[in-house]
Amino acid sequence: AQSVTQLGSHVSVSEGALVLLRCNYSSSVPPYLFWYVQYPNQGLQLLLKYTSAATLVKGINGFEAEFKKSETSFHLTKPSAHMSDAAEYFCAVSDLPDRGSTLGRLYFGRGTQLTVWP
Amino acid sequence: DGGITQSPKYLFRKEGQNVTLSCEQNLNHDAMYWYRQDPGQGLRLIYYSQIVNDFQKGDIAEGYSVSREKKESFPLTVTSAQKNPTAFYLCASSWRTSGDPIRDEQFFGPGTRLTVL
Repeated sequence: AQSVTQLGSHVSVSEGALVLLRCNYSSSVPPYLFWYVQYPNQGLQLLLKYTSAATLVKGINGFEAEFKKSETSFHLTKPSAHMSDAAEYFCAVSDLPDRGSTLGRLYFGRGTQLTVWP
Repeated sequence: DGGITQSPKYLFRKEGQNVTLSCEQNLNHDAMYWYRQDPGQGLRLIYYSQIVNDFQKGDIAEGYSVSREKKESFPLTVTSAQKNPTAFYLCASSWRTSGDPIRDEQFFGPGTRLTVL
């Protein structure tokens, strides 16, 4: 099974500062990678995804992530944090489907809670 | 508007009772999923379904049951056998492209928070 590790369960930044949320994956084959955001008591919303096209992926709300195969990483960044970015962020990996199935499962990290200080 | 609806938003259950969480989607997605979310543990897969009348267990299926009689609907029943059911439950769905595995993004509903009294 694939796995995802998110370093740091809580990250705090000041408004206007750089946001860096870390994600490392384990996969024996080229994976698909995703970042989702969750606001309190809501479902998850896709921020961006990597599907082996460009290694630098731009998403919504000014976020971007870079796929680095040598480091097995897919860190999420935003140059300037905004108060509205405060939420929980999840990294996920999708591997190839098991034999006999056409479903590639998503494996989620434990999440990183981002706090933005005024 | 296309999307995924989950009901109810909040649900309270007495110990020993079965409860059913509703999930409906009008996105014409083939695959549907149920996840359980506990603080600090991320999302854990309970059950998933690729097509109507077919579903598979995920990582934590014990104490849960599902059905997939219609493409649009994937209800989850939390049975009395689930020892610690208090959690936030999320339903999701995704496309299935002919000939390709389902690896595309999943779309999530707003969730149901279940509390056992």
